[in-house]
Amino acid sequence: AQSVTQPDIHITVSEGASLELRCNYSYGATPYLFWYVQSPGQGLQLLLKYFSGDTLVQGIKGFEAEFKRSQSSFNLRKPSVHWSDAAEYFCAVNPRSYIPTFGRGTSLIVHP
Amino acid sequence: SQTIHQWPATLVQPVGSPLSLECTVEGTSNPNLYWYRQAAGRGLQLLFYSVGIGQISSEVPQNLSASRPQDRQFILSSKKLLLSDSGFYLCAWSVRAGGPNADTQYFGPGTRLTVL
Repeated sequence: AQSVTQPDIHITVSEGASLELRCNYSYGATPYLFWYVQSPGQGLQLLLKYFSGDTLVQGIKGFEAEFKRSQSSFNLRKPSVHWSDAAEYFCAVNPRSYIPTFGRGTSLIVHP
Repeated sequence: SQTIHQWPATLVQPVGSPLSLECTVEGTSNPNLYWYRQAAGRGLQLLFYSVGIGQISSEVPQNLSASRPQDRQFILSSKKLLLSDSGFYLCAWSVRAGGPNADTQYFGPGTRLTVL
């Protein structure tokens, strides 16, 4: 069975600093990969997804993620964080079925 | 464009009372539908999913049940709520047809359930 690991429960950055959130997956082949963001009390919003092709994926709100097959990773990045980026971030993998597996989430705290 | 609605947004219920949460999707046909629960400070737990009317698969044995009376309507129910049922309930949909978009889930705004 596939699994997703987000090793950082909390990440604290200063506004304007760069950000990288880690995601590692375990699966025999390359699954579909996703990043979602959840603001407090809200549903999950899709930031970006990787299916195939270019391993650097651009998403909404200035986020990007890079798929590295050799490392089974799909890390999320943003060059300059804004206070409004403070939220919970979830990585998900889908082994080309309709049941994805979600990571436990990383809480992003942004200091002014 | 597609939209997904959940209601109510917030619900406070006593232990032992019944529950009915509703989810509807607009702008698409034959979606896959999902119910998740998110406990405080924890990740997403898939409760039920449905690939068609009347077709429900349960992922976790519990006192909750789900039904899909119409193509774009998904209902989460309980006959008697437990304290442990408190949480944030999320409905999601995905395209049923094949291809990469079939594996992308889109989430509703959620329902905050507090059982006292």
